[in-house]
Amino acid sequence: SQQGEEDPQALSIQEGENATMNCSYKTSINNLQWYRQNSGRGLVHLNLIRSNEREKHSGRLRVTLDTSKKSSSLLITASRAADTASYFCATDEGSTLGRLYFGRGTQLTVWP
Amino acid sequence: DSGVTQTPKHLITATGQRVTLRCSPRSGDLSVYWYQQSLDQGLQFLIQYYNGEERAKGNILERFSAQQFPDLHSELNLSSLELGDSALYFCASSGRTGNGYTFGSGTRLTVV
Repeated sequence: SQQGEEDPQALSIQEGENATMNCSYKTSINNLQWYRQNSGRGLVHLNLIRSNEREKHSGRLRVTLDTSKKSSSLLITASRAADTASYFCATDEGSTLGRLYFGRGTQLTVWP
Repeated sequence: DSGVTQTPKHLITATGQRVTLRCSPRSGDLSVYWYQQSLDQGLQFLIQYYNGEERAKGNILERFSAQQFPDLHSELNLSSLELGDSALYFCASSGRTGNGYTFGSGTRLTVV
């Protein structure tokens, strides 16, 4: 099943601007994770936010989680051309088995 | 280098053939996950192993099978290949349930 759905599908901004990507999901979760994928490469784990957390910061990344709205956002501040990639959210659908279900991703392009 | 090793990186084969994809998880990780990524289906969870045992099954076709060996490496076997099986196949590993995944760089399978 496609649990998380990212919005927008594509985002194009200039270097220095902030980029906000949103994720909506359908069922209860234990945690929600964000990953980055450079073209044709493996996914890289960015952040994990648990269902009892509302916000996490890591460098230029800020992740929020609103379980009442079943949504999350990833904010990248002061974006750089190197941030150009696809960004995916993933949820566990409340399972404790460890498997994750990924959305289709947001393609972020940052122009120099 | 993420610590998860996938071989081969590229594979071109004909319809009807059988191939084996190999994955060595990050040192210490007991869980291995296989995903298929295609343009039309996105990232689809195929199967999960934990310490040698199958733990969860996703959208894995009957023509596909997998196993995890005592040394924790895993193999994904794809048989009776069809054109539609062309995709990127990723392996990921994780330690504790609820932690992020570490992805390999993938195997790009092209069926001609």
